[in-house]
Amino acid sequence: QSALTQPASVSGSPGQSITISCTGTSSDVGNYDLVSWYQQHPGKAPKLMIFEVNKRPSGVSNRFSGSKSGNTASLTISGLQAEDEADYYCCSYASGSTFIFGGGTKLTVL
Amino acid sequence: EVQLVESGGGLVQPGGSLRLSCAASRFTFSSYEMNWVRQAPGKGLEWVSYISSSGSTIYYADSVKGRFTISRDNAKNSLYLQMNSLRAEDTAVYYCARQEVEYYFDYWGQGTLVTVSS
Repeated sequence: QSALTQPASVSGSPGQSITISCTGTSSDVGNYDLVSWYQQHPGKAPKLMIFEVNKRPSGVSNRFSGSKSGNTASLTISGLQAEDEADYYCCSYASGSTFIFGGGTKLTVL
Repeated sequence: EVQLVESGGGLVQPGGSLRLSCAASRFTFSSYEMNWVRQAPGKGLEWVSYISSSGSTIYYADSVKGRFTISRDNAKNSLYLQMNSLRAEDTAVYYCARQEVEYYFDYWGQGTLVTVSS
């Protein structure tokens, strides 16, 4: 299976909002409400930010939100802060009991 | 807090073998499904393998099927990945990740680097 499609990079100024898209197929994103998002700072392990499309784990800021329409999921970060600068990966459960990740998006806070 | 600590990475020649371990603590390991996820240098995340809480159900990515074997020892709170017939493209940081029932990874280890090179 091919990786889910994410933009390679996005950027925004502090206080602004950005959205990262994650496009899959009817065999993964489109078929299951099981999309999760992970934040990864350089040299660090990934951190769960969103699960089941739009749910936030405890401790994750409500500035992070998720949504899905058809085969495309999205992560929105509002009120951008310097510490949000990181790589972001989407992940979907897929048919065949596998998981598929997106290629990753580098977020730059200008 | 939940702790996952990987070990066993290193430099291995193409065609060689390596066994990774993941020591789990501060949670009931035997109750959770576990996974291995890898990240090649400068690249994105790639799911590698899944094992159910009892070890009875296992899945692999096509890229490692037939070469890698996932296993666990619930008595030792440990997860393993036996990697055989290693290739240059297996070079990556390997993470163990705890899976929640709703199909997401809530805790990750710090990773262990595997380098396949002659």
